[in-house]
Amino acid sequence: SYELTQPPSVSVSPGQTASITCSGDKLGDKYVCWYQQKPGQSPVLVIYQDSKRPSGIPERFSGSNSGNTATLTISGTQAMDEADYYCQAWDSSTVIFGGGTKLTVL
Amino acid sequence: QVQLQESGPGLVKPSQTLSLTCAVSGASISSGGYSWSWIRQPPGKGLEWIGHIYYSGNTYYNPSLKSRVTISVDTSKNQFSLKLSSVTAADTAVYYCARITTYYMDVWGKGTTVTVSS
Repeated sequence: SYELTQPPSVSVSPGQTASITCSGDKLGDKYVCWYQQKPGQSPVLVIYQDSKRPSGIPERFSGSNSGNTATLTISGTQAMDEADYYCQAWDSSTVIFGGGTKLTVL
Repeated sequence: QVQLQESGPGLVKPSQTLSLTCAVSGASISSGGYSWSWIRQPPGKGLEWIGHIYYSGNTYYNPSLKSRVTISVDTSKNQFSLKLSSVTAADTAVYYCARITTYYMDVWGKGTTVTVSS
């Protein structure tokens, strides 16, 4: 079965750039999206179709996808960006989630 | 504005069937271009896709749950439902419903907590 691998945790200082990776076999051939989830809340879509931002998502969120790795980049990270982030892709009509990455802003 | 709301028992006994409903407002579940999904999240763990359904009735399930899962749609009530049979403590989780469009979930419900315990 298809798997997406994310680092369990990433730390970043306020104002710096955070990069969260998501890896899978030939992932660049699939569309990847990213969700942000804060404690006690539902996930929120922050990137879809590799690099598009939904309305209302700050410009500091960006995404890319090539080869075997997709990357979520948060530029000028703010304290409010501290959350769990999940990548998601499709494989043969099934939905695959990455294991999630806890982003700590310190 | 599209909204989804999960409902159902918060406590289910082991070996019984978990039943949840997701009410859709602000959009017709019969409209094309979307499918309707269930996702769960065990305490302290990540997201797990359970399955999804198109308004036509076509369903797709997580292979690891397929033998126990049924997702159905009720267009007259504009809602869709989840049934998970033979539950165990491992099925304790927050259950979310979500709308899927072109490979991503753009609208999520607030989630409902289901505990499996005698």
